[in-house]
Amino acid sequence: GAGVSQSPSNKVTEKGKDVELRCDPISGHTALYWYRQRLGQGLEFLIYFQGNSAPDKSGLPSDRFSAERTGESVSTLTIQRTQQEDSAVYLCASSLDGGRIYEQFFGPGTRLTVL
Amino acid sequence: RKEVEQDPGPFNVPEGATVAFNCTYSNSASQSFFWYRQDCRKEPKLLMSVYSSGNEDGRFTAQLNRASQYISLLIRDSKLSDSATYLCAVNGFTDKLIFGTGTRLQVFP
Repeated sequence: GAGVSQSPSNKVTEKGKDVELRCDPISGHTALYWYRQRLGQGLEFLIYFQGNSAPDKSGLPSDRFSAERTGESVSTLTIQRTQQEDSAVYLCASSLDGGRIYEQFFGPGTRLTVL
Repeated sequence: RKEVEQDPGPFNVPEGATVAFNCTYSNSASQSFFWYRQDCRKEPKLLMSVYSSGNEDGRFTAQLNRASQYISLLIRDSKLSDSATYLCAVNGFTDKLIFGTGTRLQVFP
């Protein structure tokens, strides 16, 4: 079946511009995660959506970052007034439920470059 | 202390060698444990789940040690294609999975 998809696969933007990244989770997956991965670094948790619960935003690095999810479907991660340090791969993952039992499946990521 | 910790490596091993990685976790109530593999410039892919009784998939064996709060991954008869970064994931103090920073493995001819 279809896996997690993300778009765009690559995004180059100028410093100060806003960007919007999209994630389509696996159908039926109630949990959705966003991560950031800088070159050569580990996964940095950003935000977690679980069903209709309030999202866990504890990983968002600044108020320039926000994310939304419509029901149990598509999610968008928005970065306002991008900075060069925002350059990274942004990965989305989904799972059947929260992390208590079920593994996460990752999308291919969006590679963001801020010039 | 981080919730999940891994030795970053790199582990440089010859083909055919056996290599093992550990991953320690701080939440004694954790229930879910996984190993992921991440190739360069690719997304992490699930390698295997880790069950209380341990589990084996071909050359790969995963084990859980609850008393000492760590999971392990053993790779036997290493292949060049095993070269990658291996990430552990554990459910933390909240409901989400916490990933380690990964252990890099390089298998050489």
